[in-house]
Amino acid sequence: GAVVSQHPSRVICKSGTSVKIECRSLDFQATTMFWYRQFPKKSLMLMATSNEGSKATYEQGVEKDKFLINHASLTLSTLTVTSAHPEDSSFYICSARDFGETEAFFGQGTRLTVV
Amino acid sequence: GQNIDQPTEMTATEGAIVQINCTYQTSGFNGLFWYQQHAGEAPTFLSYNVLDGLEEKGRFSSFLSRSKGYSYLLLKELQMKDSASYLCAVMDSNYQLIWGAGTKLIIKP
Repeated sequence: GAVVSQHPSRVICKSGTSVKIECRSLDFQATTMFWYRQFPKKSLMLMATSNEGSKATYEQGVEKDKFLINHASLTLSTLTVTSAHPEDSSFYICSARDFGETEAFFGQGTRLTVV
Repeated sequence: GQNIDQPTEMTATEGAIVQINCTYQTSGFNGLFWYQQHAGEAPTFLSYNVLDGLEEKGRFSSFLSRSKGYSYLLLKELQMKDSASYLCAVMDSNYQLIWGAGTKLIIKP
């Protein structure tokens, strides 16, 4: 299957700082990127969907000014958690899908801990 | 509203067979996915069903009945490494994935 590389896999940051998470499609064009958040023992919660070159569409309840998503190229999307707080600690996962395809491929996930 | 239901937890014995059920109510249907997720890792793709019937892939099979809004994942010859959460997800009319909460499968020797 296609490969999506997400990093960092783990990050610890201080409260009030910003953290950037990268998601790269290595062997296909990621026309659409999905960003998820997952709490322990919970399902994936879609945060936002972005199409290359367009602004991301955020799900209800997700603060777009706090979770900045950039999808400027067909192989790279970034999620920046701004002014992080301990409650932002979670497992963040990206997935990427090529145009016309139904299957999306997942990155490895990023465990964010805000102290 | 849109809803995906699957059991929270199941326990099975190594070498046995287990069936994980998933029922759904979504606005439109463009296929149903099963994913496996080990603790602390991202989900990995197992199967995709868009037509009624059974899809077999090695020890894993997935079944779909669109009229009943029902799917199951069948795991045969269970191995300890199959201990994981199994997520059911439906692609709706907007091609968005609606996720179930996942079924934690515990395999005992």
